[in-house]
Amino acid sequence: QVQLQESGPGLVKPSQTLSLTCTVSGGSISSGSYYWSWIRQPAGKGLEWIGRIYTSGSTNYNPSLKSRVTISVDTSKNQFSLKLSSVTAADTAVYYCAREFPVIVGATALFDYWGQGTLVTVSS
Amino acid sequence: EIVLTQSPGTLSLSPGERATLSCRASQSVRSTYLAWYQQKPGQAPRLLIYDASSRAAGIPDRFSGSGSGTDFTLTISRLEPEDFAVYYCQQYGSSPPVTFGPGTKVDIK
Repeated sequence: QVQLQESGPGLVKPSQTLSLTCTVSGGSISSGSYYWSWIRQPAGKGLEWIGRIYTSGSTNYNPSLKSRVTISVDTSKNQFSLKLSSVTAADTAVYYCAREFPVIVGATALFDYWGQGTLVTVSS
Repeated sequence: EIVLTQSPGTLSLSPGERATLSCRASQSVRSTYLAWYQQKPGQAPRLLIYDASSRAAGIPDRFSGSGSGTDFTLTISRLEPEDFAVYYCQQYGSSPPVTFGPGTKVDIK
């Protein structure tokens, strides 16, 4: 059973960089043709896809966040990470990591495993 | 980018009743690449339905999905107490970005 667990600071100051890591257990992050994604959800609101990475290092980002987002992978640690720069209060949200199960190479896919989520608050 | 709309925003029903949730896409969804997720307070979303009508592993058969093109439906045949939650649709099989619908909240009447 694949499990994902987010970790990182729960409080980030405005203008700084938010950094989160997702640790994958129960399977190798390098096995299979999966994408590894970040999704966020402000309190009381819907889901926003941030971006994803393939184990080759290939990435796709949401155009609305692209200029501020970097997603990377460390296959030796079975982890992938999110960096979001120049944060503001609007970036306060629960951040989820998830496995994306593709049906077509390169296309968007469905999410079959999710982390429990971690709340990140942007405040001075 | 395909935009998804869901209706109604909130559905107030009693246990044992039938719930019908709608998801409409701004353009035709490739094949039947439409998924439904359930989210309970404080929890991550859980995959319920994929390919518009296939139940994910462990999902009870009171959950069913249907539809194609631009119109999709999630039906819960008889609501159980644990089914009161928010439901999101998501299309896939297209170029990024991933998009989700805004959600339908099913609450207890």
